[in-house]
Amino acid sequence: EPEVTQTPSHQVTQMGQEVILRCVPISNHLYFYWYRQILGQKVEFLVSFYNNEISEKSEIFDDQFSVERPDGSNFTLKIRSTKLEDSAMYFCARSLAGGMGETQYFGPGTRLLVL
Amino acid sequence: QKEVEQDPGPLSVPEGAIVSLNCTYSNSAFQYFMWYRQYSRKGPELLMYTYSSGNKEDGRFTAQVDKSSKYISLFIRDSQPSDSATYLCAMRGTNAGKSTFGDGTTLTVKP
Repeated sequence: EPEVTQTPSHQVTQMGQEVILRCVPISNHLYFYWYRQILGQKVEFLVSFYNNEISEKSEIFDDQFSVERPDGSNFTLKIRSTKLEDSAMYFCARSLAGGMGETQYFGPGTRLLVL
Repeated sequence: QKEVEQDPGPLSVPEGAIVSLNCTYSNSAFQYFMWYRQYSRKGPELLMYTYSSGNKEDGRFTAQVDKSSKYISLFIRDSQPSDSATYLCAMRGTNAGKSTFGDGTTLTVKP
């Protein structure tokens, strides 16, 4: 099974600070996703990304969030001004193609704690 | 009403038991149904997927979908302690990338 890696594994930040979470690519996977899971709650879709554009985003993905592939390699999620309620596990997922039946491979997650 | 409702658990069974995990959904647009396993502090791992109503079997695991009732199940036969994890149902519709997850059911299989 293809391996998705994420950095950092843990991030502690002060409210109002910017954080960048990174997802390391699988070479031939072109579709990228971010999900989050607040402690004790369900996994929630944030955004999907293909060909350097957002394909779809949820209502959670507001103006504080952005995604990009800055060097055509790593896929990043930026939170501009973190809030306490942004504390969660953030999972990157990738798939080879974007069809409904495509398997999304999840990374191990970044645990973000906003103080 | 939540789009996906999952039996909350937690569930504790003895080794060798048959486990039934269940989800219901309200969105008729869902066409693709998945079960993920998630170990503590890890990302979800896809176990099984199915498109259509009926049963799909893979080893000790059987996924069942009843679209008319908007109900899906995962059965685990001869459960093992290594099956202890949180099981997540997830679904997709025509918006291909977005998966909608249930809340998860935590299963403990006791030796």
